[in-house]
Amino acid sequence: AQKITQTQPGMFVQEKEAVTLDCTYDTSDPSYGLFWYKQPSSGEMIFLIYQGSYDQQNATEGRYSLNFQKARKSANLVISASQLGDSAMYFCAMREEYNNNDMRFGAGTRLTVKP
Amino acid sequence: DTAVSQTPKYLVTQMGNDKSIKCEQNLGHDTMYWYKQDSKKFLKIMFSYNNKELIINETVPNRFSPKSPDKAHLNLHINSLELGDSAVYFCASSQEPSPRGKLFFGSGTQLSVL
Repeated sequence: AQKITQTQPGMFVQEKEAVTLDCTYDTSDPSYGLFWYKQPSSGEMIFLIYQGSYDQQNATEGRYSLNFQKARKSANLVISASQLGDSAMYFCAMREEYNNNDMRFGAGTRLTVKP
Repeated sequence: DTAVSQTPKYLVTQMGNDKSIKCEQNLGHDTMYWYKQDSKKFLKIMFSYNNKELIINETVPNRFSPKSPDKAHLNLHINSLELGDSAVYFCASSQEPSPRGKLFFGSGTQLSVL
């Protein structure tokens, strides 16, 4: 069963605006971690942000913030002040403690920033 | 210095051949992984090793065989290559198998089977 769901295959945003990329997950493990990665057209996988299941506050890293709603099992990525260089694939991922801690990925969202 | 390096970056070969992809990490991590990214960009875990011990072996054809000579290296050998093996293969590492551990990825190997 798919554990990580990204419902937006593609998103467009105007430069300098904020955008939210959706991610929902499914787990019964109380201990898990949520991650977002960026994959530009060059192909490398770039870590953006992490949220632990026990973290009380939403994670932030520069222009990236994670809107973590535990009861709804959602971990949306918010990118503020979009830049042209933000155009890329974005992947949500999860690691569960009971599941050998392997990292499972969603299908990804392709973000295009328009000038 | 590249943290996770994999070679080659591109691999073009004929059906039926055997090929290997090498991966090395200089981060001192205990856990290493192989992922396959298909043409639709979906990333699927194939194998994970912790301190040279196989932890995860997803439903992968036994033509794929990982080998970890030491905890800094995890190589992937593929026998009798098929057209469907064409994909990008990523090596990754993390400090430990933990919910907190982010993965550090290599730059990927684009495998094309003709």
